[in-house]
Amino acid sequence: AQTVTQSQPEMSVQEAETVTLSCTYDTSESDYYLFWYKQPPSRQMILVIRQEAYKQQNATENRFSVNFQKAAKSFSLKISDSQLGDAAMYFCALTSGSRLTFGEGTQLTVNP
Amino acid sequence: DVKVTQSSRYLVKRTGEKVFLECVQDMDHENMFWYRQDPGLGLRLIYFSYDVKMKEKGDIPEGYSVSREKKERFSLILESASTNQTSMYLCASSFDEPSYDEQFFGPGTRLTVL
Repeated sequence: AQTVTQSQPEMSVQEAETVTLSCTYDTSESDYYLFWYKQPPSRQMILVIRQEAYKQQNATENRFSVNFQKAAKSFSLKISDSQLGDAAMYFCALTSGSRLTFGEGTQLTVNP
Repeated sequence: DVKVTQSSRYLVKRTGEKVFLECVQDMDHENMFWYRQDPGLGLRLIYFSYDVKMKEKGDIPEGYSVSREKKERFSLILESASTNQTSMYLCASSFDEPSYDEQFFGPGTRLTVL
């Protein structure tokens, strides 16, 4: 069985500041992928960033980057220069085989 | 743009009713998924389908069934709705191998069972 844990139910950040959302996981697979999805209020869930476990280099998408620590089974999301539109529920997810396992979610508030 | 639509945003049903939740995707995706989302629990996979008429149980299939007669449509069926099935239901689809491909989500159906 694989598990994903997000230990921060809620986080807040000031506009233009940087925030890091934490995620830890557990899997017995050696080949897997990790994702961060964003669910804005009353809007559809969208992919933020994806990391292949076999790649050592951390994925980056504009203001979003990850800190992937394979040995520690940690996969945190850093949002730089936070914007009001970043306010959302963020989910960490793990796949191996055909199953996508989500964490509990972190509600991010961005303060103007 | 990939579009995944769900038949209702809000639904209220009574205990014991048979409930159908419909999902349609317009990008010829092979794989379709049904999740339920509950506060503090994240998303949990109910069923998924990797081809027409093919289905596989997810982590919480009890009390649910699914149907995929056409590639673009994936239905979730609650045979006899119960109050513990009150939840947000999300449909998703992906083109390629589910293990690494991005999933595209619908807007969700908030189901209340009274």
